[in-house]
Amino acid sequence: NAGVMQNPRHLVRRRGQEARLRCSPMKGHSHVYWYRQLPEEGLKFMVYLQKENIIDESGMPKERFSAEFPKEGPSILRIQQVVRGDSAAYFCASSPQAGRADTEAFFGQGTRLTVV
Amino acid sequence: KNQVEQSPQSLIILEGKNCTLQCNYTVSPFSNLRWYKQDTGRGPVSLTIMTFSENTKSNGRYTATLDADTKQSSLHITASQLSDSASYICVVSNTGFQKLVFGTGTRLLVSP
Repeated sequence: NAGVMQNPRHLVRRRGQEARLRCSPMKGHSHVYWYRQLPEEGLKFMVYLQKENIIDESGMPKERFSAEFPKEGPSILRIQQVVRGDSAAYFCASSPQAGRADTEAFFGQGTRLTVV
Repeated sequence: KNQVEQSPQSLIILEGKNCTLQCNYTVSPFSNLRWYKQDTGRGPVSLTIMTFSENTKSNGRYTATLDADTKQSSLHITASQLSDSASYICVVSNTGFQKLVFGTGTRLLVSP
């Protein structure tokens, strides 16, 4: 049972390009969470998705950022027209049940986005 | 404002020694507190989860304590090993996994 898989591990984009980050949850997990970690800062919640539904996107910037978790395939975090400030590590976590306070979730290894 | 503060920011200890990391939080309402270990270039890995009613929880050489009255937690590592070199992150939850508040971590270096 593979863990949470994120790809690519490293992504370099020029300003103005689009970045697509993928997250395949653990087998049997239908809940996915995306977090962003800026240099020297703690992880910050971005968005929580179940299959085909966005449950909570309160941490995601309203512009340029979008997320989906289709019925088939991985969850995708999409950043349009990237800017230097988008450079960060993006982590995905998955859990088998609803996002209760004591939910145990497992993190992927992250995608490090560098905007040049 | 919900915040989690950790100290020290970084720590160097000799292999085999013990150490204690501190965490203070102002998250409210409080549901549980977690400690994660994050190796360089990796995702966080859960060490312990403690609810309001738990004062201490152990996971091998890691022992976490929680004082919900003073809103403080500590993580004690005994007989440190080189593989313990990592960032240790204190995380407080109130209303669901998506509402976790992360500290910035303590960077621990275990030196031979």
